Amino acid sequence: DTEVTQTPKHLVMGMTNKKSLKCEQHMGHRAMYWYKQKAKKPPELMFVYSYEKLSINESVPSRFSPECPNSSLLNLHLHALQPEDSALYLCASSYRRLGLVNREVEQFFGPGTRLTVL
Amino acid sequence: EDQVTQSPEALRLQEGESSSLNCSYTVSGLRGLFWYRQDPGKGPEFLFTLYSAGEEKEKERLKATLTKKESFLHITAPKPEDSATYLCAVLNFGNEKLTFGTGTRLTIIP
Repeated sequence: DTEVTQTPKHLVMGMTNKKSLKCEQHMGHRAMYWYKQKAKKPPELMFVYSYEKLSINESVPSRFSPECPNSSLLNLHLHALQPEDSALYLCASSYRRLGLVNREVEQFFGPGTRLTVL
Repeated sequence: EDQVTQSPEALRLQEGESSSLNCSYTVSGLRGLFWYRQDPGKGPEFLFTLYSAGEEKEKERLKATLTKKESFLHITAPKPEDSATYLCAVLNFGNEKLTFGTGTRLTIIP
């Protein structure tokens, strides 16, 4: 099973709201990723967690706050977002970030959360 | 800096009309080249990973090949359900971050 789940599927929020996106995988993967994708553009990496520790932050504004409570869960907390933050937010996972075996670095994506900021 | 260029940007084919999508890349140390399929509003679906020049992989009507400078995704006798955006990405030994191309939007006309 190569399934990554994300909730909610759609989210509409105002600029003063606080909300969270959730991602879950049960494949035993120890690397988890957040990407942002604007329309007709490729995914852009935001954060990488490896063994529940933040290993990469791609200079993302502090209004986005990631959290990895355990090896299966990844959250993205949102606060005081701007309309330009509206996008498809994708979660992905791989067996490892720095895999020794080729297949360990293959990333599997979830269905995404469509976020609209009013 | 790693670079991935996909062509064409968009491709319209008649059902059954075979063709190829191209992914040209520049990377200092290739860890792997990945192909994904993405339907509108959904997450990318993993198709293939290629790790070394000369490698080929097949799945149903799709076949991916890799050289030292580019990869091709060949689609044989496509069906309307093959319509999607196909994304190519490379992973670098040095930074372990996927670099994506801008994708090829494929439309198969019944």
